[in-house]
Amino acid sequence: GAVVSQHPSWVICKSGTSVKIECRSLDFQATTMFWYRQFPKQSLMLMATSNEGSKATYEQGVEKDKFLINHASLTLSTLTVTSAHPEDSSFYICSAREIAGTGGFYEQYFGPGTRLTVT
Amino acid sequence: GNSVTQMEGPVTLSEEAFLTINCTYTATGYPSLFWYVQYPGEGLQLLLKATKADDKGSNKGFEATYRKETTSFHLEKGSVQVSDSAVYFCALKGGYQKVTFGTGTKLQVIP
Repeated sequence: GAVVSQHPSWVICKSGTSVKIECRSLDFQATTMFWYRQFPKQSLMLMATSNEGSKATYEQGVEKDKFLINHASLTLSTLTVTSAHPEDSSFYICSAREIAGTGGFYEQYFGPGTRLTVT
Repeated sequence: GNSVTQMEGPVTLSEEAFLTINCTYTATGYPSLFWYVQYPGEGLQLLLKATKADDKGSNKGFEATYRKETTSFHLEKGSVQVSDSAVYFCALKGGYQKVTFGTGTKLQVIP
């Protein structure tokens, strides 16, 4: 089956620094990738939709200058948390949507998530 | 907008008990419905899905039926195992292919 990887799986950084998280579709191509944020004991909140070769679309309330998204190829999207603060500590999950759908249905595959802790 | 409501947890069951996790939704049009499972420390895995009314999704002994008349997609399993302990998310995919998740229900199965 389709596999999505994320790197790193966990990261600890100091307040004020930037952190980059990679999301890769390993055995399929994805024109669209999604970035979610999950708070403890809460559901996933969509942050932004990343389209290959174009600017990401951010959800309301998400700072695009703080959460930089780059989707440079059909298999890689990156999320950079700039000038991180402790309130940015969270679990970040990406998902990738395959190009070829069957019957108009496009499956989304989720990565294992990245745990970010900002001290 | 679209929304998904699922029962609050945690749900604690003994092994081999019957499981039901309720899920109802609000959406325009004809969304696809999903159940995802998240094991401790891991990302989400698709458990099952249904793309139209009256479809039944099933996998690993779990099943859910897309009920348009009651806007529900309840998850059931006849006999749970300790290995089923996880958080279960009900979700829908509506217009523009965006996925909306419920808040998740933690299931704990004790031996």
